Amino acid sequence: AQSVTQPDIHITVSEGASLELRCNYSYGATPYLFWYVQSPGQGLQLLLKYFSGDTLVQGIKGFEAEFKRSQSSFNLRKPSVHWSDAAEYFCAVAPFGGGGNKLTFGTGTQLKVEL
Amino acid sequence: GAVVSQHPSWVICKSGTSVKIECRSLDFQATTMFWYRQFPKQSLMLMATSNEGSKATYEQGVEKDKFLINHASLTLSTLTVTSAHPEDSSFYICSASGVQGGAEPQHFGDGTRLSIL
Repeated sequence: AQSVTQPDIHITVSEGASLELRCNYSYGATPYLFWYVQSPGQGLQLLLKYFSGDTLVQGIKGFEAEFKRSQSSFNLRKPSVHWSDAAEYFCAVAPFGGGGNKLTFGTGTQLKVEL
Repeated sequence: GAVVSQHPSWVICKSGTSVKIECRSLDFQATTMFWYRQFPKQSLMLMATSNEGSKATYEQGVEKDKFLINHASLTLSTLTVTSAHPEDSSFYICSASGVQGGAEPQHFGDGTRLSIL
């Protein structure tokens, strides 16, 4: 069975500092990989996705993620965090080539931004 | 593009009543819709997957007679919580996807906060 691990439950960074949120997955093949962000009381917004090709993926709001097959990781990064980035971040995977897009989510990382 | 509208955003009702939540894809046809439940400070738990015109597939442990899902058109799916009780209080989120397979990302609604008194 596939699984997603987000080792950091909470992360606090200062505004303007760089950010890296970790995500590791367990799956028999390379799955489709996603990062979503959730503001309090809201649904999820897709930040970026990886299907194949270039392992460095650019997303919205200045985020990027790098897929590393050897480490089964898909870490999310941002060079300079803004106060509005404070939210819950979820890494998710979907089976390669099928599965009706059924997503498996990590437990999420709560990002707090200090001004 | 790819907007999913969920209604209502907040509902409070008495124990024993049934509550219907709507999920609409506004600018695309959703062949598959998903319903999730999220407890405070936790991740999303998939409840069921619905495909237009067919019965929903429920995840293990989810009571299908309790949580009725209808996906009657390519733009609308509904979740009805029947005879709701306080333990059904939660944040329910729907998502929609346009094609089968893993390539199409799910697009999420803004969720419905359900409070049962």
